Amino acid sequence: LAKTTQPISMDSYEGQEVNITCSHNNIATNDYITWYQQFPSQGPRFIIQGYKTKVTNEVASLFIPADRKSSTLSLPRVSLSDTAVYYCLVVRNSWGKLQFGAGTQVVVTP
Amino acid sequence: SQTIHQWPATLVQPVGSPLSLECTVEGTSNPNLYWYRQAAGRGLQLLFYSVGIGQISSEVPQNLSASRPQDRQFILSSKKLLLSDSGFYLCAWSSTSQGPTEAFFGQGTRLTVV
Repeated sequence: LAKTTQPISMDSYEGQEVNITCSHNNIATNDYITWYQQFPSQGPRFIIQGYKTKVTNEVASLFIPADRKSSTLSLPRVSLSDTAVYYCLVVRNSWGKLQFGAGTQVVVTP
Repeated sequence: SQTIHQWPATLVQPVGSPLSLECTVEGTSNPNLYWYRQAAGRGLQLLFYSVGIGQISSEVPQNLSASRPQDRQFILSSKKLLLSDSGFYLCAWSSTSQGPTEAFFGQGTRLTVV
């Protein structure tokens, strides 16, 4: 599976949009990009998944360019409760393996 | 609906003692099962994953082992705990019947080896 690289940390203020970019240069044709959110002392929670272009749900948007070598998770109008670690994963159904990286610590302040 | 149970929530064990953490999933069949460990302030380290009964892949060589005695039961074990085994252990499952789907995590076990 393709290795992912994302920033270690990001700071933001309440009400701003937060964009976290993840690099996955070696992504394969049948790989998908998935993002998780983790709060302290809890297991990660699925946020969004996509293959190409744009995916949007009630929590976030995921932008994937045509070459699929990177993806950007967009959190609109963040609040203090969005302070968490965000993980970018490349997944392949036929393999079953789920490998998390170090993630990005997002801190939202008033 | 599917649920995942992981216990105990916290555990304090002396060095050299054995360990057994159990995880069970309800409401689905033939899930992928995972064990992760998270040290304080660090990311999730994949320890073991299983795509079926008796099929377990080890990701990190260490004194831990995993077993899947039943389709929806995943057990993490150690014969002799080390101080370095302390951490937050998470069990998770994902579906094998669809395309890439989300993983669902248990509440975790906070293990302190003293």
